[in-house]
Amino acid sequence: AQTVTQSQPEMSVQEAETVTLSCTYDTSENNYYLFWYKQPPSRQMILVIRQEAYKQQNATENRFSVNFQKAAKSFSLKISDSQLGDTAMYFCAFQSTEKLTFGTGTRLTIIP
Amino acid sequence: GAVVSQHPSWVICKSGTSVKIECRSLDFQATTMFWYRQFPKQSLMLMATSNEGSKATYEQGVEKDKFLINHASLTLSTLTVTSAHPEDSSFYICSARDMGTGSYNSPLHFGNGTRLTVT
Repeated sequence: AQTVTQSQPEMSVQEAETVTLSCTYDTSENNYYLFWYKQPPSRQMILVIRQEAYKQQNATENRFSVNFQKAAKSFSLKISDSQLGDTAMYFCAFQSTEKLTFGTGTRLTIIP
Repeated sequence: GAVVSQHPSWVICKSGTSVKIECRSLDFQATTMFWYRQFPKQSLMLMATSNEGSKATYEQGVEKDKFLINHASLTLSTLTVTSAHPEDSSFYICSARDMGTGSYNSPLHFGNGTRLTVT
């Protein structure tokens, strides 16, 4: 079974700074997908960014980018120019079949 | 974009009663929907996979007689918590994948969740 580990339960950063959230996973699969989801206080799950394992190029979405290290099974999320609206729980997720496995989450607080 | 509507958003019920939660894909069809449970300050745990026209597939440790899932159409799945008890109080979230994309790896669309409180 796949496991997803987020070793930072909580993080905080000043507004406009850059923050990196860590995620590692364990799998024997070669083809899979990785995701970062954001869950604000409203509890709505919002897809932040997606990475296909067969792609070497790191995915980027505006201020959000990932550092995907397949050999190390690492998938970190970098948020640049952080904004107050980035305050939320962030979940790393793994998918090789139709199911999604979530990490334990990192609570990110952006400080004004 | 694809929208998943989940209803109700919150419900309070008495111990021993049953509660039904609906999950609808509003602008796409979904042969498969997923039900998750989330305890406070914890991650989402997959409870079951809801399959249109067939029985749901439950994750290990989830009581299928306790959490009844029905997926009668391509746009609706329901989760019924039967004989609810206080320990069933939790946040329940559904998700669905647009079958029109042709790939099971296309992104999931999540409902807004249902907060269940059993008194």
